[in-house]
Amino acid sequence: AQSVSQHNHHVILSEAASLELGCNYSYGGTVNLFWYVQYPGQHLQLLLKYFSGDPLVKGIKGFEAEFIKSKFSFNLRKPSVQWSDTAEYFCAVSTSGGYQKVTFGTGTKLQVIP
Amino acid sequence: DVKVTQSSRYLVKRTGEKVFLECVQDMDHENMFWYRQDPGLGLRLIYFSYDVKMKEKGDIPEGYSVSREKKERFSLILESASTNQTSMYLCASNLSGVRNQPQHFGDGTRLSIL
Repeated sequence: AQSVSQHNHHVILSEAASLELGCNYSYGGTVNLFWYVQYPGQHLQLLLKYFSGDPLVKGIKGFEAEFIKSKFSFNLRKPSVQWSDTAEYFCAVSTSGGYQKVTFGTGTKLQVIP
Repeated sequence: DVKVTQSSRYLVKRTGEKVFLECVQDMDHENMFWYRQDPGLGLRLIYFSYDVKMKEKGDIPEGYSVSREKKERFSLILESASTNQTSMYLCASNLSGVRNQPQHFGDGTRLSIL
């Protein structure tokens, strides 16, 4: 069974600071990787996804993530955060085949200080 | 745009009551999911369904059951509510048979069991 680890539970940054949120997964086979975001009071929504091709994936709102297969990692980055990026971020992994069971990480709360 | 609608944003029930949480999606998705979201634990899968009248247990099915009588509707049932079922419940849906399909989430139901 797959598992997902998010190392940072709570991150506080000032506006314009750079962001990197760690995500590691454990699964020996082919995976699909996702980052979701949950803004305060809103539903989870997809930031970006990866399943093949260029390991550097660009998503909405200036976010990007890099898949490093040898490290089983899919870290989320943004060069310069804004106050509006304050949210909880979830990394998720699904396996190919079947109904593609999705496993979520425990989430990282990001607080951006103006 | 995909719309996943959960019947209640907030719900308060008493211990021992039978509780129904309803979810409807409007995109003809085959797969539907119920998660609970707890601080520090991320999202944990309770049950999922890949077709009408089909259901599969997720990671934490104990104390819950589900019903899928129509493709667009997926109900979560707490047979006899207990205080440890106080949580945020999230419904999601996605397409089947296509790799890397993200899940689309509802706004969540915050359930309190007194």
